This record gives sequence, structure tokens and C-alpha cells, in this order.
Amino acid sequence: AQTVTQSQPEMSVQEAETVTLSCTYDTSESNYYLFWYKQPPSRQMILVIRQEAYKQQNATENRFSVNFQKAAKSFSLKISDSQLGDTAMYFCAFMTTSGTYKYIFGTGTRLKVLA
Amino acid sequence: KAGVTQTPRYLIKTRGQQVTLSCSPISGHRSVSWYQQTPGQGLQFLFEYFSETQRNKGNFPGRFSGRQFSNSRSEMNVSTLELGDSALYLCASSPGNDYGYTFGSGTRLTVV
Repeated sequence: AQTVTQSQPEMSVQEAETVTLSCTYDTSESNYYLFWYKQPPSRQMILVIRQEAYKQQNATENRFSVNFQKAAKSFSLKISDSQLGDTAMYFCAFMTTSGTYKYIFGTGTRLKVLA
Repeated sequence: KAGVTQTPRYLIKTRGQQVTLSCSPISGHRSVSWYQQTPGQGLQFLFEYFSETQRNKGNFPGRFSGRQFSNSRSEMNVSTLELGDSALYLCASSPGNDYGYTFGSGTRLTVV
């Protein structure tokens, strides 16, 4: 069975600085997708970034980038130039390509950006 | 483009009652998934529907059921409510590929 582990329950960062959230996963599959979702107090889960396992290049979306290490089964999220609006819960999620179409979520990291 | 709409936003029910939650996906999205979010268990997959068929189901008791209509709108039903069913229920829709899901804002269910 697949598992996703986020070992940092809470983190804080000063505004304009950089922070990295860690995520590790376990799977025997070779093809899969990894995601980072953000859940602000408004409760809506917002897709931050997506990575396809067969792509070696790390995904980037503006201030958000990932460090995807397939062999180590690691998928960390780097937030550059942190903004107050980045304050939220961040969830790492795994989805296989085997047609099950369901996410396995980590337990989340609560990130607080300090002014 | 309208997002995923879940109704109601908040719901309070008593033990033993049943409840129906509704989800309207993004127009054109044929896949709808449901997740339960609690502080203790985190986000747990309930089920996924695609073109009116349940394609996958999580490890929840039979009291949890769902369906999808021809317009892709989905409903989730929980019968004989228990205190432990108190949670945020999230719906997510997708065109049906592996690109990723768009989530709604959820229905907060409180069972008293």
C-alpha cells in the first residue's frame, strides 16, 4: 500500500524568506503523480504544483518549486519570497496511474508566514 | 468559469439521522471524488464517480454511499449518523484524466 509522510507538523518563516516543506512517500509503482495542495482557512484545497514521476525535471510554478528525488522517494516543496497569503496547511498527495484515481494524502504541514 | 460548488456549507444533525450532501463539479468535468477530513484521521478517500459509475471506493462502512447524475452532479449520503462522522466533507472534480483535481470548499457536518 502507498503511504505519504509529512514529518513537519508545523513550520514558520519570515516574510520574504524561503522555506522548504518535506514529503516522503512509499510505493512499488513506477508511474505516478505527486501533488502539493494548499488549504487556507477558507478550507478550499488549492492545487499548488504537480509532478509526473516519469519526468526528471523538477516542476516550478512561480514562487513554488519542488525537489523530486525519485530514488529516495522524496518530494519537497520550496516556497521562495514567502508572503503572508502563503499561511495555510500544505498537503502532499500521491496518485497512481493505475486507474484508481484517488489521492493518498499526507497529514499536512501547517505553515505560518510571519510579518 | 464556476468552480466546484458544495452545498450546504454547514450542517448539524443528530445521531441516527441521515444526511445528503451535494456537489456540482466544474462544467465538463466527468469525475467527482469525495474525501472526509478530520483532525485525527486527516484526509480519507470515500469514493470516486465517473460518468455515473462508481469507479473506486475507500474503506468506509456501507452507511456511506453516493451517486452521480447524468449532468455529473454528485450526492453523498450518510445514514444512521454517528458522532464520529463529524467532519469536513470535500468534493473534487476532474476532467477524468490524471491532471489533478479541483476541490470545493467543503461541507462541515457536525453530529450531536
